[in-house]
Amino acid sequence: EEQLLESGGGLVQPGGSLRLSCAASGFTFSSYTMTWVREAPGKGLEWVSVISGSGDNTYYADSVKGRFTISRDNSKNTLYLQGNSLRAEDTAVYYCAKSLSRNNWPPDGMNVWGQGTTVTVSS
Amino acid sequence: DIQMTQSPSSLSASVGDRVTITCRASQSISRYLSWYQHIPGEAPKLLISAASSLQSGVPSRFSGGGSGTGFTLTISSLQPEDFATYYCQQGYSTPYTFGQGTKLEIK
Repeated sequence: EEQLLESGGGLVQPGGSLRLSCAASGFTFSSYTMTWVREAPGKGLEWVSVISGSGDNTYYADSVKGRFTISRDNSKNTLYLQGNSLRAEDTAVYYCAKSLSRNNWPPDGMNVWGQGTTVTVSS
Repeated sequence: DIQMTQSPSSLSASVGDRVTITCRASQSISRYLSWYQHIPGEAPKLLISAASSLQSGVPSRFSGGGSGTGFTLTISSLQPEDFATYYCQQGYSTPYTFGQGTKLEIK
């Protein structure tokens, strides 16, 4: 069974940093584009960042560009999201998600999602 | 950036009703459009990819259509488990933006 498990969320002060992890199992991790999506309290889903299977291509939402870094370690089947200079508006549940098709770009939908990890930015 | 606009933002309907949600893109996205269902406390679920391709395990009462800038998600006969929030998302160019969501509530 294909599974994703996020970790690393918590309470962080404004201006602080946090690294989220997403452990993958049940599929050939390196063959799939991976995405981070977040949902702020009372808001809808917001696309945050995407990384290709090899890790060579990365893209970000304007709201996090320059502050967040997506990366992956294919030897550990793990996706990461490093967030710096965190703001109150980064408070959200963060989901990692797997693309539907292997070795496909642009990604064609996200068919496996983790349960999410909560990040709260507050003093 | 491509803006995705869903309508309506909320919808009240009854079990057995047929409902259609519309998603419009600010520029042509061909058929690079996915639909998701999100129930609070659960992970979002992919219903449809490539505008009309129903995902495995998704009931056939769900269907998607459209291309270019206009898309629809139709539920032919609402079931109790369908009351949720629905999102469209474009996969044509980054940032791969979502619509604002359509909350489907029980009348």
